[in-house]
Amino acid sequence: QVQLVESGGGFVQPGGSLRLSCAASGFTFGDYYMSWIRQAPGKGLEWISYISNSANAIYYSGSVKGRFTISRDNAKNSLFLQMNSLRAEDTAIYYCVRSSHYGPDFWGQGTLVTVSS
Amino acid sequence: QSVLIQPPSASGTPGQRATISCSRSSSNIETTAVNWYQQLPGTAPKLLIYSNNQRPSGVPDRFSGSKSGTSASLAISGLQSEDEADYYCAVWDDSLKGWVFGGGTKLTVL
Repeated sequence: QVQLVESGGGFVQPGGSLRLSCAASGFTFGDYYMSWIRQAPGKGLEWISYISNSANAIYYSGSVKGRFTISRDNAKNSLFLQMNSLRAEDTAIYYCVRSSHYGPDFWGQGTLVTVSS
Repeated sequence: QSVLIQPPSASGTPGQRATISCSRSSSNIETTAVNWYQQLPGTAPKLLIYSNNQRPSGVPDRFSGSKSGTSASLAISGLQSEDEADYYCAVWDDSLKGWVFGGGTKLTVL
């Protein structure tokens, strides 16, 4: 069955960096676009980045553009999110999400990122 | 950038029908495909409805989606206690090149 397992979350001070990883299994990873979507504590869902299956199309929300970098390794069935210059408002659960033609269709369980001094 | 507007809360009793609306502030939702997601407490969101009214395999037919004019709706018939969750609508925004989510609706089964 489809599995997306995020890792790399944790506690970091403002201005710091973290790299999130997502290990995919149960489907042909290289056939799918992938996204990172986050959810601040007690808040709603916020799409932050999107990468095409071959990584030739990459988009970011305005809130993270210039600070976060999405990438993927199709040979290793893995998705990544490099997060730099972290701010308190980046505190959230970060979900790795598969996208079908119809949009986000399968979500990992998420990894918590806490930015605090 | 468009904003999707959902009521913050909705409720119903077991067996009743509940509906949740989703409207778009900057343009008519009529030309945009809408997805709906269910997030049970403490879990990751799950795709409930895609392309306005299509159910993924495994989603009960108690859940249905529709769209009319300036808003989309999610209907849940035969409410069950396990339907208590947060529900989000979402559309692709071509100007943003990303997905926009509504603020979410917390459904309570009384």
